[in-house]
Amino acid sequence: LQLQESGPGLVKPSETLSLTCTVSGASISSSSFYWGWIRQPPGEGLEWIGTIYYSGSPYYTPSLKSRVTISVDTSKNQFSLKLSSVTAADTAVYYCARLLVNVGYFDYWGQGTLVTVSS
Amino acid sequence: DIVMTQSPDSLAVSLGERATISCKSSRSVLYSSNNKNYLAWYQQRPGQPPKLLIYWASTRESGVPDRFSGSGSGTDFTLTISSLQAEDVAVYYCQQYYTTPYTFGQGTKLEIK
Repeated sequence: LQLQESGPGLVKPSETLSLTCTVSGASISSSSFYWGWIRQPPGEGLEWIGTIYYSGSPYYTPSLKSRVTISVDTSKNQFSLKLSSVTAADTAVYYCARLLVNVGYFDYWGQGTLVTVSS
Repeated sequence: DIVMTQSPDSLAVSLGERATISCKSSRSVLYSSNNKNYLAWYQQRPGQPPKLLIYWASTRESGVPDRFSGSGSGTDFTLTISSLQAEDVAVYYCQQYYTTPYTFGQGTKLEIK
């Protein structure tokens, strides 16, 4: 199983951060898995952003809920993250990861992608 | 939110010696209906993504060396490395998945003395 994040490494303040996670080696439509996003500001700890099931509604961390959208594209075996109205505080390495259904630990992670918010 | 607090923030241990990291949750992560603790441990080496080591507080992920063990229940948990190897230098995180938002400890940096 491999997960690979992709998207712009630089986003301007107030704009929308958009990332995609491409999954290979497993079907994103599997009934066995959830898919999630986690971020890590430089030199800091881990923050869960949100999680989605291929056929269900996503759920988000409350602190970001008003700005986050996570969606799934089963035809491309991908899931995506959009974070609107970004500020410098959103600068971080963004990871996509897999969770088993009905449990919330992350058993496979992508390598991560650094997104810097700067004008 | 459940707050996860790890101690110490950093730790230096000699090669071959035992390393112990503590993780405390602000409320119990033990689900009474199945008697499982919803607690995981991860290892993050420099420049790498986190790697799952332990889930259900004490179940080792496949391929994880048996020098890594997890223990505890309710609100108090411990990750133990029985005999420190050079490749164990990393930051270690605990995570609760009892309820959303899933939350992580602040991390413990483990170094060689």
